[in-house]
Amino acid sequence: DTAVSQTPKYLVTQMGNDKSIKCEQNLGHDTMYWYKQDSKKFLKIMFSYNNKELIINETVPNRFSPKSPDKAHLNLHINSLELGDSAVYFCASSFFGTGSSYEQYFGPGTRLTVT
Amino acid sequence: AQKITQTQPGMFVQEKEAVTLDCTYDTSDPSYGLFWYKQPSSGEMIFLIYQGSYDQQNATEGRYSLNFQKARKSANLVISASQLGDSAMYFCAMREDSLGDDKIIFGKGTRLHILP
Repeated sequence: DTAVSQTPKYLVTQMGNDKSIKCEQNLGHDTMYWYKQDSKKFLKIMFSYNNKELIINETVPNRFSPKSPDKAHLNLHINSLELGDSAVYFCASSFFGTGSSYEQYFGPGTRLTVT
Repeated sequence: AQKITQTQPGMFVQEKEAVTLDCTYDTSDPSYGLFWYKQPSSGEMIFLIYQGSYDQQNATEGRYSLNFQKARKSANLVISASQLGDSAMYFCAMREDSLGDDKIIFGKGTRLHILP
């Protein structure tokens, strides 16, 4: 039983294309996140949604657009892909609870390669 | 300034020895949470342990313990009796509660190699 799933696992595409990554969680969590992990393994938050509402929107090019149709799904659409977008993208989910011990559960990651 | 600093980019440790992975953090928020995650070569991110800033005792989870020194702003991860399967990247992370957005900031990680 996969808790947080992402599709696709690998994505190879050319510069200028538009692509989407899908994420689904079956943990009943109310908050979902997108992270980018670069080639040096640095993990950085991009977006988060709580109950379909955007609550974190880091300094990310507006070519990246998250969409949350419901609290179990958070998709990431990327327009006009650039070489620098090549990275591993992780989806995560948790219960929202400032001051709590709620950890984030991560998906398996999507390795995006832009050629 | 970096919020989370992990000064050891890589470590080599003999199997069965104890390991300490260093983490220092920077915050003026009185309420915060500290996390450690493990990322094996397969790529998934695995939660290991959590310490809240108001917790009186150091967190422990099986072979993992967190050496929390609040005055020094240090949250080192200790792995007792290391195993070959402990070879992985380890990330320290922090959530500052006054932000109210559950954002977690990750350090740059330490790559741990356990030698047979």
